[in-house]
Amino acid sequence: DAGITQSPRHKVTETGTPVTLRCHQTENHRYMYWYRQDPGHGLRLIHYSYGVKDTDKGEVSDGYSVSRSKTEDFLLTLESATSSQTSVYFCAIAWKEETEAFFGQGTRLTVV
Amino acid sequence: QQQVKQSPQSLIVQKGGISIINCAYENTAFDYFPWYQQFPGKGPALLIAIRPDVSEKKEGRFTISFNKSAKQFSLHIMDSQPGDSATYFCAASDTDKLIFGTGTRLQVFP
Repeated sequence: DAGITQSPRHKVTETGTPVTLRCHQTENHRYMYWYRQDPGHGLRLIHYSYGVKDTDKGEVSDGYSVSRSKTEDFLLTLESATSSQTSVYFCAIAWKEETEAFFGQGTRLTVV
Repeated sequence: QQQVKQSPQSLIVQKGGISIINCAYENTAFDYFPWYQQFPGKGPALLIAIRPDVSEKKEGRFTISFNKSAKQFSLHIMDSQPGDSATYFCAASDTDKLIFGTGTRLQVFP
């Protein structure tokens, strides 16, 4: 696997609580992405970053925020978790646009 | 609104057969079209990719066919093997964004 680590790998949280997922890379890639994977919906882009402090919204950004203060870390925050945010979250990295994206192992989040 | 539409949702193929997965897009600004393969419990991994200046790209048993005028592209897996059983995603990129289709679960039976 490319040098990309997601943490935690599994999390159960209660509705209404804030949750932060971390993506850490050792590849010095410029681009980082957060996706959620749900049955019947495939992979949907939540937010992405094209550099330190440079982020933009994806297809399903409502209820999520991101931050990238260092090249190697991209944080995804669920401001107030809801059951509809139960999903598997994948982080991906790419060294430039329109090139191979490398995915992490995923984080399974359950909101109860 | 699904920007990249993928079909079928699931596909069952006999060993040695041809697997075909289709995708369509609307955004003419897309100019990079990769296919990803995902095994259970793993993240997706790049299989093959094409840019719109060519109509076909082949890598081993995997071929992408691209029809720019129809805004469609497809993945063909020749001589399908049980080890090909996985979920396949088409995707399209418009500079910074990488947008995926809904996925196709392929099962190849011996």
